[in-house]
Parts: sequence; C-alpha cells; structure tokens
Amino acid sequence: GENVEQHPSTLSVQEGDSAVIKCTYSDSASNYFPWYKQELGKRPQLIIDIRSNVGEKKDQRIAVTLNKTAKHFSLHITETQPEDSAVYFCAADSSYKLIFGSGTRLLVRP
Amino acid sequence: GAGVSQSPSNKVTEKGKDVELRCDPISGHTALYWYRQSLGQGLEFLIYFQGNSAPDKSGLPSDRFSAERTGGSVSTLTIQRTQQEDSAVYLCASSPQGGRDEQYFGPGTRLTVT
Repeated sequence: GENVEQHPSTLSVQEGDSAVIKCTYSDSASNYFPWYKQELGKRPQLIIDIRSNVGEKKDQRIAVTLNKTAKHFSLHITETQPEDSAVYFCAADSSYKLIFGSGTRLLVRP
Repeated sequence: GAGVSQSPSNKVTEKGKDVELRCDPISGHTALYWYRQSLGQGLEFLIYFQGNSAPDKSGLPSDRFSAERTGGSVSTLTIQRTQQEDSAVYLCASSPQGGRDEQYFGPGTRLTVT
C-alpha cells in the first residue's frame, strides 16, 4: 500500500524567511497530493493541492511542486508570517482514501 | 453551508465503558472517513464509507472498534470496553465522492479514557 514520508518533523524560521516541507510517496498510481494545515486545537484544513498533470501550483505565498518520476512533492511558503505557525500534513491518494504524512510543526519566530 | 459536525466535542469515560462518537457529514457527500489523532501525532486512517457501505475497515485497531453509517449520512463510531490507549482525538471527514476529492474535516471528538 501507499506510504508517505514527510520531513522535517519540526521547522523553525524567522518571520519573512521561506519554509520548505518535503514528502515522498511510494505508490506510482497516486495522482492527487493535498496539503493540510492544522492550527493548535483546530481541524485540518486544505491549503493547496496538486494533481499529477501539473508540476507546480501557486496560491499567493504558497506553492507546491511535484516530481512524479522521483515520487516526491514539496510545499513552499514564502515571506512567512507568525500566523503560518501550525502543523502541516502532506497526503497522497491511494484509491479512495488519503494517506497522510506524519506532519511538520512549523514555528515562525517574530 | 454547514460543515462537518461531530458530537460530543469532548468525552471522558472510565476504562471498560463503551462510547459512541457521532459524525454529521456535509449534505450530499457520499464519502465519509474516520481518523484517529493521538497527541502530537499524525492522522491515522480508521475506516472509509461510500454511501452506507464500508469497503475498507482495515484501519480499525481491534474488534472493539466498529462503525456504521445510515441513510448515506450520519455515521457512528463505537468503541467497546475502552482502554487508556484509546485516548485520542477522533476526526471525521467527508468528501463529495471520495478518492481524489478534497476532504472536509469535522472539529473532532477528544476522547479521554481514565
């Protein structure tokens, strides 16, 4: 079955710097790769997703890149702000369900 | 429109008791998922429903866990003879059709077994 690995587990950056979180997956049949943000005590919410027919997608300060050959995808956050502090989860589809990475705790220092 | 709702938001129970957790998905969503999130951990898949059927129960940790969904809508996750290791946040999510659709999460039920 699908296995998704996520790195790093924690990431601390200075406000204004960029943050990059990386994930790898194992199932070559996966075609949908969402990223969820979970603030403390809150539910996970989708922030961006990418499908296998594109290599990059941007939404304001957030971008995701996908390399299907290497089976990895990354989340890039530019000009980080304190409100970006949260846990971020990547995921890959496996048939009808999503397999989630273990999460990255991002701390943006003011 | 209304999002995914779950009840109760918090549940404290004694070891050995049974508990029922409820999920109300977004109206019209055929796919429903249950996940478990232990403190500071990731999202552990438990079970998936498509309509009222559960084609994949592979994530249920033991036979003390069961779930059902009626009318293609509300779902109940039941944990029998609760153990302390069952303490976690139980999250429900729904999506329009499943598969490569966005999943919308509920606020979760925080279960504490004493």
